[in-house]
Amino acid sequence: TQLLEQSPQFLSIQEGENLTVYCNSSSVFSSLQWYRQEPGEGPVLLVTVVTGGEVKKLKRLTFQFGDARKDSSLHITAAQTGDTGLYLCAGARGNAGKSTFGDGTTLTVKP
Amino acid sequence: NAGVTQTPKFQVLKTGQSMTLQCAQDMNHNSMYWYRQDPGMGLRLIYYSASEGTTDKGEVPNGYNVSRLNKREFSLRLESAAPSQTSVYFCASSADRGYNQPQHFGDGTRLSIL
Repeated sequence: TQLLEQSPQFLSIQEGENLTVYCNSSSVFSSLQWYRQEPGEGPVLLVTVVTGGEVKKLKRLTFQFGDARKDSSLHITAAQTGDTGLYLCAGARGNAGKSTFGDGTTLTVKP
Repeated sequence: NAGVTQTPKFQVLKTGQSMTLQCAQDMNHNSMYWYRQDPGMGLRLIYYSASEGTTDKGEVPNGYNVSRLNKREFSLRLESAAPSQTSVYFCASSADRGYNQPQHFGDGTRLSIL
């Protein structure tokens, strides 16, 4: 059973377009993290959200945690080719030290 | 500024062979993790070590064993490799087991079992 569902699985857009990817669950999480992974490398943390309704911005990236702490979204404004990569969300419950990862959204930004 | 170092980067094994994947971190982190990543899928937790001296099973532990050798090093062993264990293996570490702690990943070991 996949606890975290990410959508869409694949997304291909032109440079300059906006996009939103989603991370949904029926479970409540203590925190939700977003990572970006480039080919041949490990994931790199982008942001951690911990409060229901929280919104965090990282330059052109906007992250939101759902009010009920069951879902999250990542919005990219004016995408650039450097945004290309696999975006993974990961949810943690309690302080057990374990996170559950979604299957990821593969984003391709074409010049 | 090494962070998390994994060795080897690539490995090809025959079915039934054994091997150990090595991981070391230089950030003085307490918690360490082993994941596998298969095509089209996210990361699945194999084993983790919340602190030195402790290890616990994750989501997919069957066929693997781990050793937390000291605070820096966490190894993953395949005793009898099977084709289903062909995957990319990632080691990660975090300062502690708290739910808001970021995980720092190595660049992975690409393992093929023939």
